[in-house]
Amino acid sequence: AQKVTQAQTEISVVEKEDVTLDCVYETRDTTYYLFWYKQPPSGELVFLIRRNSFDEQNEISGRYSWNFQKSTSSFNFTITASQVVDSAVYFCALTLNDYKLSFGAGTTVTVRA
Amino acid sequence: EPEVTQTPSHQVTQMGQEVILRCVPISNHLYFYWYRQILGQKVEFLVSFYNNEISEKSEIFDDQFSVERPDGSNFTLKIRSTKLEDSAMYFCASRSYGDQPQHFGDGTRLSIL
Repeated sequence: AQKVTQAQTEISVVEKEDVTLDCVYETRDTTYYLFWYKQPPSGELVFLIRRNSFDEQNEISGRYSWNFQKSTSSFNFTITASQVVDSAVYFCALTLNDYKLSFGAGTTVTVRA
Repeated sequence: EPEVTQTPSHQVTQMGQEVILRCVPISNHLYFYWYRQILGQKVEFLVSFYNNEISEKSEIFDDQFSVERPDGSNFTLKIRSTKLEDSAMYFCASRSYGDQPQHFGDGTRLSIL
């Protein structure tokens, strides 16, 4: 069975600060995919990024970056120079070859002006 | 960009009544999913559907639940006799093939009175 843990329940920052969201996962499979989704106050789920277990290269996409470390089973996500519109619940998720998503509990990010 | 469409956005139903939640997945997608999110909690997998049959279902997806793809475009979730604890946001998702990510609809908020 797989499990995703997001230990941070809430993070509050002032605009332009960086925000790093922690995600730790558990799985015995060697092939898996990790995701970050954003859920703004309107309620929809917005796909942000995906990484497969064979690609530990960390990247930056605009103001988003991620740090995937298999050695510690972590897939952390950073928002650089946060904006008020970044206020949302952020979910980390894991899927195996069956592609059903296992979500973490979510981290609520509040960005204050 | 193609979207997953869910209707209605909000459904209010009396306890014990049947309810059908509707989804139109992205047209060339092959795999379909339903997830549930009780208010303030994480998103939970309900069922996956491929090639006109259920691929996998969770413990939540008991005999009161059923899914159908009646006409090649719609994908429905039926709850036969709703309970108060069925109140939640229900998300439909679809994906194309291989390791492509799931795309989510905006969700249907189901309120059972």
